[in-house]
Amino acid sequence: GAGVSQSPSNKVTEKGKDVELRCDPISGHTALYWYRQRLGQGLEFLIYFQGNSAPDKSGLPSDRFSAERTGESVSTLTIQRTQQEDSAVYLCASSLAALGRDTQYFGPGTRLTVL
Amino acid sequence: QKEVEQNSGPLSVPEGAIASLNCTYSDRGSQSFFWYRQYSGKSPELIMFIYSNGDKEDGRFTAQLNKASQYVSLLIRDSQPSDSATYLCAASGGSYIPTFGRGTSLIVHP
Repeated sequence: GAGVSQSPSNKVTEKGKDVELRCDPISGHTALYWYRQRLGQGLEFLIYFQGNSAPDKSGLPSDRFSAERTGESVSTLTIQRTQQEDSAVYLCASSLAALGRDTQYFGPGTRLTVL
Repeated sequence: QKEVEQNSGPLSVPEGAIASLNCTYSDRGSQSFFWYRQYSGKSPELIMFIYSNGDKEDGRFTAQLNKASQYVSLLIRDSQPSDSATYLCAASGGSYIPTFGRGTSLIVHP
């Protein structure tokens, strides 16, 4: 694909349920980032993957959040036992590498609503 | 803790005027700076990046960096209503994880 894709675009779930969000990065991009953006707020870093290196999970807000990435392809962000405060747009971004100078390309996001 | 500060606005300018958006950052190790534009309900898209002190121009956009003052700005000349959006400033350094500001809302009125 030409850009970063994410699915689903919208997800409504009940409190306590688990959700899985998917990100397909741009082909050839070794770095992948997940962010959370609450309404009217900035981007909150969650986790980043660089190639086959161990991911940087320093931004994950609790142990209910986890993410995986297979090689340099698809990533999934899983939120267990969702809470209302998890409601936000979850954005995925990829870049050619993680050298600090590489532009991040964002996907359209997944809007999560926890009832 | 690394921080990037932006005035949340809204900054309101008339069509055709120059819009000036400002950003300060706390981490002196920051090396790369980015400006993203985010329309309401959409994802951020890159407008400009700058690595060196001074000005960098691209069409109607000019990014300015002053590392001594830890200050980055974005100037938009001949502002158009289509420029109305939230502008996010980001800084990254050795950790390769950029820190984003909360964004400045720009309104360009006809």
